[in-house]
Amino acid sequence: QVQLQESGPGLVKPSETLSLTCAVSGYSISSGYYWGWIRQPPGKGLEWIGSIYHSGSTYYNPSLKSRVTISVDTSKNQFSLKLSSVTAADTAVYYCARVRNDGGVVYFDYWGQGTLVTVSS
Amino acid sequence: SYELTQPPSVSVSPGQTARITCSGDALPKQYAYWYQQKPGQAPVLVIYKDSERPSGIPERFSGSSSGTTVTLTISGVQAEDEADYYCQSADSSGTYPVFGTGTKVTVL
Repeated sequence: QVQLQESGPGLVKPSETLSLTCAVSGYSISSGYYWGWIRQPPGKGLEWIGSIYHSGSTYYNPSLKSRVTISVDTSKNQFSLKLSSVTAADTAVYYCARVRNDGGVVYFDYWGQGTLVTVSS
Repeated sequence: SYELTQPPSVSVSPGQTARITCSGDALPKQYAYWYQQKPGQAPVLVIYKDSERPSGIPERFSGSSSGTTVTLTISGVQAEDEADYYCQSADSSGTYPVFGTGTKVTVL
């Protein structure tokens, strides 16, 4: 059974960089699939942030691309998210997920439980 | 930017049928997926590729597609089906995943 677990600071100051890690168990990242990050502001909908392959190939939401970096560490079977220059609008529950692609459209079949990150001074 | 539009809310009595629509211009060309999200929990995939059901998802959940609209149908709604539901597909170029606006299903 694939399991994902997010970790990282729950509070980040405005203008600083948000950093989260997703540890994967039950599946080796090196075996394939893309891995992604999705966020959900309190009381609002879901927003895809970006995805990464085990080789390091990435693609990002165009609306966040200038501030996002996703990286992978296959030796630790985990991948990470960095979001720079955060504001209160970046306050959200951040989820990591496994990405599937059937018929050309990507979707998410396994999700972490999510972690709330609040941006506040 | 590309949008997938859902009704904000749907109310249904236990045992009745709930239908949740999702509209988007690119849906005739791309598959749609549906997620169920209960309060404080991560989303769970309930339908993939318009109408396929993952293992472990009850048969009362079904999906269909017609033109620019896809529909999630919950037949014989149960109290445990009360949740937010999100459709998901890709942007008009087929490159980036996009989520719908979400629908809150209330079981009366």
